[in-house]
Amino acid sequence: AQTVTQSQPEMSVQEAETVTLSCTYDTSENNYYLFWYKQPPSRQMILVIRQEAYKQQNATENRFSVNFQKAAKSFSLKISDSQLGDTAMYFCAFMRNTGNQFYFGTGTSLTVIP
Amino acid sequence: ETGVTQSPTHLIKTRGQQVTLRCSSQSGHNTVSWYQQALGQGPQFIFQYYREEENGRGNFPPRFSGLQFPNYSSELNVNALELDDSALYLCASSLNSGANEKLFFGSGTQLSVL
Repeated sequence: AQTVTQSQPEMSVQEAETVTLSCTYDTSENNYYLFWYKQPPSRQMILVIRQEAYKQQNATENRFSVNFQKAAKSFSLKISDSQLGDTAMYFCAFMRNTGNQFYFGTGTSLTVIP
Repeated sequence: ETGVTQSPTHLIKTRGQQVTLRCSSQSGHNTVSWYQQALGQGPQFIFQYYREEENGRGNFPPRFSGLQFPNYSSELNVNALELDDSALYLCASSLNSGANEKLFFGSGTQLSVL
């Protein structure tokens, strides 16, 4: 079974500062995908960034980057130059590379303070 | 906007009733996945439909059933509603089934069971 753990229920950051959200997961699979999704008050899940487990290089997407530590089963999200629009729930998610379902964590509520 | 639309946006039912939720997938997408997001939790996979056939199911009882139509829109039906069925129901569509596909989520249907 796959489990995803987000140990920070709430976080806050000053506008323009950097924040890191933590995620750990448990799996016996060797090939899989990891994701960070953002859920604003509109409730729509929006893909922030995706990492393929077989790639050693950490994924980056503009102000968003990850620190993927496969051996430690850790997948943190760093948001640089935080903006007010980054305020949202952030979910870490796992998917087996032969699968079709996400396993989500319980989320981290991020507030960007002006 | 992702092009995935869900209806209704909000719904109130009483225990024991039946409910049908609808999802219109993004144009060209043949795969629809349904997730249940309880308050304070991450989304949980209910099932996926690929080209009108069920293509994987999560740990939900048989009273959760679905349908996908030839135009690839989808319905989620829940019979004998229970109080614990109160949740946000999210639909996501993708071009095809599989972990390599990008999912596009709708804004969900908020179901309250009284």
